[in-house]
Amino acid sequence: EVQLVESGGDLVQPGGSLRLSCAASGFTVSSDYVSWVRQAPGKGLEWVSVIYSGGSTYYADSVKGRFTISRDNSKNTVYLQLNSLRAEDTAVYYCAGSGPYCGGACFDYWGQGTLVTVSS
Amino acid sequence: QSLLTQPSSVSGAPGQRVTISCTGSSSNIGAGYDVHWYQHLPGTAPKLLIFGNTNRPSGVPDRFSGSKSGTSASLAVSGLQAEDEADYYCQSYDNSLSGSVFGGGTKLTVL
Repeated sequence: EVQLVESGGDLVQPGGSLRLSCAASGFTVSSDYVSWVRQAPGKGLEWVSVIYSGGSTYYADSVKGRFTISRDNSKNTVYLQLNSLRAEDTAVYYCAGSGPYCGGACFDYWGQGTLVTVSS
Repeated sequence: QSLLTQPSSVSGAPGQRVTISCTGSSSNIGAGYDVHWYQHLPGTAPKLLIFGNTNRPSGVPDRFSGSKSGTSASLAVSGLQAEDEADYYCQSYDNSLSGSVFGGGTKLTVL
């Protein structure tokens, strides 16, 4: 059974930083695609970033230059470093993985999410 | 403003059929990229409902079906049940973003 478990969400002041983690089991983060998707309060899903099996990374324009996605293959974990946080970054952040159905195009697997609140 | 446009809400009585549209452009759906659909209940993880425009993962009832034509796609839910009440999102790839894009989401209410 595949499990993606996010952690690291917290209350942080504007301009602050956080690192989110996505620990995978039953799924190898280095062999497939892992994305971060967020949902702000009362809003829809928003794709944030992806790291491909080959290591390429891409970001939504709204976070480019502020967020960094990375992975530790030995820990089978993907990270999202959030810097220069703004109030509009407040959201539940989901880790999502591409598996046998999606082949990199969509998200077979989802974590339960971790809440990031940016407020003074 | 999402690059994929969905109606904010749809509704139907139990047993009826509803459709949810997803309209894109030449940089995403119209460029030939597949459309995928998710069901999302508040406080839970989104669930893959349809992948590759028309395909259902194992365990998804055949009451759910997807289609795609040109720059648009649709999700149909037939034989509506109370448990279908949820938010539904379409998703595709956009070559101007070099990444995924979601629709704004549609709230399905079962009357």
